[in-house]
Amino acid sequence: AQTVTQSQPEMSVQEAETVTLSCTYDTSENNYYLFWYKQPPSRQMILVIRQEAYKQQNATENRFSVNFQKAAKSFSLKISDSQLGDTAMYFCAFMSHGGATNKLIFGTGTLLAVQP
Amino acid sequence: KAGVTQTPRYLIKTRGQQVTLSCSPISGHRSVSWYQQTPGQGLQFLFEYFSETQRNKGNFPGRFSGRQFSNSRSEMNVSTLELGDSALYLCASSLTGQRNQPQHFGDGTRLSIL
Repeated sequence: AQTVTQSQPEMSVQEAETVTLSCTYDTSENNYYLFWYKQPPSRQMILVIRQEAYKQQNATENRFSVNFQKAAKSFSLKISDSQLGDTAMYFCAFMSHGGATNKLIFGTGTLLAVQP
Repeated sequence: KAGVTQTPRYLIKTRGQQVTLSCSPISGHRSVSWYQQTPGQGLQFLFEYFSETQRNKGNFPGRFSGRQFSNSRSEMNVSTLELGDSALYLCASSLTGQRNQPQHFGDGTRLSIL
């Protein structure tokens, strides 16, 4: 069974600084998808960035980028130029490529606080 | 374009009762998934529906059930409520249910069991 581990329950960063959130996962599959979701106090889960395992190039979305290390099964999220609005719970998630389901397996989350 | 709509936003029930939660996906989306979020267990997959058929079910007791209608709206039902069912229930929809389609989440229904 696949598992996702986020070892940092809480992190803090100063506004405009860079922060990296860690995520490791375990799977025997070769093809899969990895995601970072953000959940602000408003509760809505928002997709931040997505990585397809068969793509070697790390995904980037504006200030958000990932460091995908397939052999190490590591998928960290880097937030550059942190903004107050980035304060939220961040979840790393895994999805199998095969099978007839859209099931996401989530980590336990990292609470990020951006300090002014 | 309207997002995923979940109703009600908050719900308070007592043990032994049953409850029905509703999820209206983004227009045109045919896949709907449900997740339970609790402080102790985190986010756990409940089930997924696509074109009115349940495609997958998580490891939850039979008290948890769901369905999807022809307009893709989905409901989940929990019978004989227990204190441990207190949680935020999130619904997510995607266009076709394929892996390359992003899932869009609603704001959730906060269910409290007294």
